[in-house]
Amino acid sequence: DAKTTQPPSMDCAEGRAANLPCNHSTISGNEYVYWYRQIHSQGPQYIIHGLKNNETNEMASLIITEDRKSSTLILPHATLRDTAVYYCIEKNYGGSQGNLIFGKGTKLSVKP
Amino acid sequence: NAGVTQTPKFQVLKTGQSMTLQCAQDMNHEYMSWYRQDPGMGLRLIHYSVGAGITDQGEVPNGYNVSRSTTEDFPLRLLSAAPSQTSVYFCASRATGLAYEQYFGPGTRLTVT
Repeated sequence: DAKTTQPPSMDCAEGRAANLPCNHSTISGNEYVYWYRQIHSQGPQYIIHGLKNNETNEMASLIITEDRKSSTLILPHATLRDTAVYYCIEKNYGGSQGNLIFGKGTKLSVKP
Repeated sequence: NAGVTQTPKFQVLKTGQSMTLQCAQDMNHEYMSWYRQDPGMGLRLIHYSVGAGITDQGEVPNGYNVSRSTTEDFPLRLLSAAPSQTSVYFCASRATGLAYEQYFGPGTRLTVT
């Protein structure tokens, strides 16, 4: 079972920042937090990952709390194309069993 | 690169029929896996492979077989289809060590009547 918890749905106005929270209170010291998204009917797409420090790439920013029990994915200027289900996942880095365990995620609806 | 490809895109089977879902990747990835996704649910891992000749079970392996004879291909076999196997199936691959960036195929939508 997925060890992360996320709100089932969120709305965001187009052009505004979308902040998607995730709780991972049982995360261990060597587990990374990963974010993927799934646009309707497509395969999931990698967004970003992090261990302790905040991370930023061309798609999003990831803010991880100091105790690592929660994180927030930030889409700085959401567009209608960002409407998707967003998955927050804990997983050990590397190794032979690099399996992603998906929960139900957060359905983000970006509205005009 | 084509990335991860899956065939067919859609399939309808009758209960008891068998079929193979095809998955191929051209990125020379060692790790490949199969997931199923039921309506309103997240993805559940069926089987995975860490390299040619090596496969292992995920969380929902019953009713499915896999083999990995080449790095590129990882077919999923349904030996005797059941209505409970109606789902969308996704194949994924990643390079060993780059655990975070997993590439997914477009999916196969299977209906078993």
